[in-house]
Amino acid sequence: GESVGLHLPTLSVQEGDNSIINCAYSNSASDYFIWYKQESGKGPQFIIDIRSNMDKRQGQRVTVLLNKTVKHLSLQIAATQPGDSAVYFCAERGNYGQNFVFGPGTRLSVLP
Amino acid sequence: EAGVTQSPTHLIKTRGQQVTLRCSPISGHTSVYWYQQALGLGLQFLLWYDEGEERNRGNFPPRFSGRQFPNYSSELNVNALELEDSALYLCASSLVLYEQYFGPGTRLTVT
Repeated sequence: GESVGLHLPTLSVQEGDNSIINCAYSNSASDYFIWYKQESGKGPQFIIDIRSNMDKRQGQRVTVLLNKTVKHLSLQIAATQPGDSAVYFCAERGNYGQNFVFGPGTRLSVLP
Repeated sequence: EAGVTQSPTHLIKTRGQQVTLRCSPISGHTSVYWYQQALGLGLQFLLWYDEGEERNRGNFPPRFSGRQFPNYSSELNVNALELEDSALYLCASSLVLYEQYFGPGTRLTVT
């Protein structure tokens, strides 16, 4: 069945460093991917998305990379700030018209 | 623009009771999704409604049900509550098949 997973359940980085959060997916037919950020006590917040016909997309301080060959998705956060501390989820849409499947999440801790 | 709203914020119920959670989507969004997030875990897909119809359902027992109203708001009903139903219930809305925007969630505690 479809599954989305993460290589690292927790990640600690120094303030100002770059962060890389990884995600593996199993459904080669997935056509759309999203990264969400969830702060404590809040609902997930949309960060950035990417479609399967792209391999890179940049936002403000964030970049998503998609490697369809190895079914891998990553989120890069530049100059990580304390406000970036949260749990990050990747999500894939398995097939057109289907619901999203979410990964288990990675907790990012930013050290002063 | 108002975001997705959910009510109530918190809820405490006892085993065997029934609960109804409510969600109002972003104006113009026709799809509503429900997810269960147990403490410290990821999001488990429950239900997807679009244009008043149930489009897909996650791997949950029939005592989890819902509906979507003509104004696109939605209810999630859980019957015969069990302790393991304690979780954060998240609602999201979207234009169909695009990115989902989440509400703050309803924290349900079953004792």
